[in-house]
Amino acid sequence: DVKVTQSSRYLVKRTGEKVFLECVQDMDHENMFWYRQDPGLGLRLIYFSYDVKMKEKGDIPEGYSVSREKKERFSLILESASTNQTSMYLCASSLIQGYGFEQFFGPGTRLTVL
Amino acid sequence: DAKTTQPPSMDCAEGRAANLPCNHSTISGNEYVYWYRQIHSQGPQYIIHGLKNNETNEMASLIITEDRKSSTLILPHATLRDTAVYYCIVRVAGFGNEKLTFGTGTRLTIIP
Repeated sequence: DVKVTQSSRYLVKRTGEKVFLECVQDMDHENMFWYRQDPGLGLRLIYFSYDVKMKEKGDIPEGYSVSREKKERFSLILESASTNQTSMYLCASSLIQGYGFEQFFGPGTRLTVL
Repeated sequence: DAKTTQPPSMDCAEGRAANLPCNHSTISGNEYVYWYRQIHSQGPQYIIHGLKNNETNEMASLIITEDRKSSTLILPHATLRDTAVYYCIVRVAGFGNEKLTFGTGTRLTIIP
């Protein structure tokens, strides 16, 4: 059974803290993605990665960075958390197939920044 | 990627077919139509996708109009577990186009 796991379901941090969100997939997928989801705004892509050590900015990369040192792991980093980064964060992975692939999502991490 | 338009909410009686419409009037010839759903407090789940032919799998059917400007997702016998937000997405397929752009979707409520 395919699986994308995220390190925490719920996380509470203080303004200015450095925050790490971890995502692991066990499907040997090349692509991995980080989204955030906010009411009324749908899912918005933050960063994605085609391969180890490769990363591409999504639609809203400001305030975030990512790391992909191993194929199965993709980390989202908030260098200095702010209250406007309170959100649901979703990780996903997919194969590079070119056509007709599907993205598999993790359960999400609800981050609250106080 | 082309934009999509979906009704914000719909109700359907349990056991009936749920028909969820999606307009994508600016779709181009190399864009696929994808459907995902998100059950409360979970990550989105892939349902089905298609290019121009109708498609069916164990979860749903996808009907795409001949001009490809709209489509309908059909859940043939809706159950309470189908209550979710359903997203219609169009995307150019091919290397470098793996990004999905989610809109706000249709909130489907299955009524007992």
